Amino acid sequence: VQLVESGGGVIQPGGSLRLSCAASGFTFSRYAMTWVRQAPGKGLEWVSAIGGGGGSTYYADSVKGRFTISRDDSKDTLYLQMSSLRADDTALYYCGKDLWETNSWYGGIGSWGQGALVTVSS
Amino acid sequence: DIVMTQTPLSLSVTPGQPASISCKSSQSLLHSDGKTYLFWYLQKPGQSPQLLMYEVSSRFPGVPDRFSGSGSGTDFTLKISRVEAEDVGVYYCMQGINRLTFGGGTKVEIK
Repeated sequence: VQLVESGGGVIQPGGSLRLSCAASGFTFSRYAMTWVRQAPGKGLEWVSAIGGGGGSTYYADSVKGRFTISRDDSKDTLYLQMSSLRADDTALYYCGKDLWETNSWYGGIGSWGQGALVTVSS
Repeated sequence: DIVMTQTPLSLSVTPGQPASISCKSSQSLLHSDGKTYLFWYLQKPGQSPQLLMYEVSSRFPGVPDRFSGSGSGTDFTLKISRVEAEDVGVYYCMQGINRLTFGGGTKVEIK
């Protein structure tokens, strides 16, 4: 299993950014996927998840209405579209693969990527 | 939202000695499907988190058997029977019954 995040960078407050997570080593379409973030020096915070098949999406209250999770199973890629970014969105964003195959969302994260750093600053 | 509370915040352990981390949830993590959605992760310095235990007490493949998990309902414990140098890092518990919530983390260092 390999998960490689990309798309991070420095963005001004109010701006938008799209993160990608390229997956390999497993049948991507069969697994729910998750985004988790970690602010500098802080703990882990769940951001969003999408079910296997993309039928269901889930968001933390802190990002609801500003972030959109999606997936392209033909490209084995997970996305996180982030808009109206704020300073407190600054974090390392990890993508994670569900532990078990499911059409919905199991929740337990079995594999993690290395993270993509998003810095929101003027 | 379910709040996860970990204690202690940090732990300094002599190699070969045991260690124990507590995790308490604000609501029961026992689902109607019979599973308890409590997970343990270790984030080693400079690395991504890695899964140690799932559903309270099931060890993820490759995790040494010196790690064990126990508990039920709202009270859970991760135990390391004999701490080794490679076990340093921050340990997080996580609930998965209602969205996902992580505990604040317990930093384990070697004396």
